[in-house]
Amino acid sequence: DTEVTQTPKHLVMGMTNKKSLKCEQHMGHRAMYWYKQKAKKPPELMFVYSYEKLSINESVPSRFSPECPNSSLLNLHLHALQPEDSALYLCASSGQGRGNSPLHFGNGTRLTVT
Amino acid sequence: GEDVEQSLFLSVREGDSSVINCTYTDSSSTYLYWYKQEPGAGLQLLTYIFSNMDMKQDQRLTVLLNKKDKHLSLRIADTQTGDSAIYFCAESPTGNQFYFGTGTSLTVIP
Repeated sequence: DTEVTQTPKHLVMGMTNKKSLKCEQHMGHRAMYWYKQKAKKPPELMFVYSYEKLSINESVPSRFSPECPNSSLLNLHLHALQPEDSALYLCASSGQGRGNSPLHFGNGTRLTVT
Repeated sequence: GEDVEQSLFLSVREGDSSVINCTYTDSSSTYLYWYKQEPGAGLQLLTYIFSNMDMKQDQRLTVLLNKKDKHLSLRIADTQTGDSAIYFCAESPTGNQFYFGTGTSLTVIP
């Protein structure tokens, strides 16, 4: 079982819809991440939140809007997506302390844009 | 981003050893990681090695690090069908930057 929980597991949305992906962790981690993964490819970093502040935005289109309401929660708001945005969206967290702080991933949300 | 390279495919027979290789680029990476991804799931942390070590063993897993050549390998002993998955190496030169390899798809033949 993963300690990072993502909902929903699957999402199908039209190009005019607005939806949100949710992520929760209770490991006390202070860094949270959104990654996008296409089939059989490595995850691509989208956003990093550090101590609830956006620290990295990898030039992601504005139709993706992240939000970090508190240190345990991370959302990704979706609006006017394109079919090429269909992918597995992975949330991760890390301790971001000195020493070993690996990424811990959720099981992802499989997004299909029609 | 960094170029972290892995061979794309590996096929082994059940019971044999598997060796998955990775070359990375940033010699300042303090920790190097191996992740496993099964179909429909996220990435599961398997093991890691600190950059001042050259070997780490964890049950069936052995990680070898050649820092001079920037080469990392993961050996899985007695490979089982449940080990079939995609394996990603990752390097972390800074606290919240992680660079993933291209991934190796391991197929275990019964």
